[in-house]
Amino acid sequence: GQNIDQPTEMTATEGAIVQINCTYQTSGFNGLFWYQQHAGEAPTFLSYNVLDGLEEKGRFSSFLSRSKGYSYLLLKELQMKDSASYLCAVLNAGNNRKLIWGLGTSLAVNP
Amino acid sequence: DVKVTQSSRYLVKRTGEKVFLECVQDMDHENMFWYRQDPGLGLRLIYFSYDVKMKEKGDIPEGYSVSREKKERFSLILESASTNQTSMYLCASVGGARQPQHFGDGTRLSIL
Repeated sequence: GQNIDQPTEMTATEGAIVQINCTYQTSGFNGLFWYQQHAGEAPTFLSYNVLDGLEEKGRFSSFLSRSKGYSYLLLKELQMKDSASYLCAVLNAGNNRKLIWGLGTSLAVNP
Repeated sequence: DVKVTQSSRYLVKRTGEKVFLECVQDMDHENMFWYRQDPGLGLRLIYFSYDVKMKEKGDIPEGYSVSREKKERFSLILESASTNQTSMYLCASVGGARQPQHFGDGTRLSIL
């Protein structure tokens, strides 16, 4: 079967660093996306990884290990506005259009 | 910037009504998607379309149909609305493989 696992909830403190993990088992792999979704709003694109390694984009970085079926999103210098749900999604090599979505990780940033 | 526009942010309908949700994108994207999102269940794909007049069922197509007569517009139809179709509906479009999907603001639909 196809499966994506993320922690349901995480809590962190303003100014700190948090790592959100995502593990996947899919029949094929053509890249992994991270999205941010604030309550009541639509998901917005954060990052895309298709090769192993770390991609840095400002305060946000995303890491991929294809051999381990593992990715993480690293958020540095946390701000209150980072309180949101973070969704991991895999692009299956068998179909280049559909994404397989995780259920999301709800991050609460406390002062 | 890609713009995906959904016709309504909030909609209230009655059981048994036929409901139309409209989505328009302005980036000439070939691929468009309809999802519903419910607490604890994440994003679930209802239907998608990879070209005009082409459609494929997603994971939960029962009770829904779609229409794609023009490239920029993708409509979701609830043939006979039921209370279990109360949900947040999200439309997305994407230009090609390995590109991110871009979402509309969503329609929060309540069926009474």
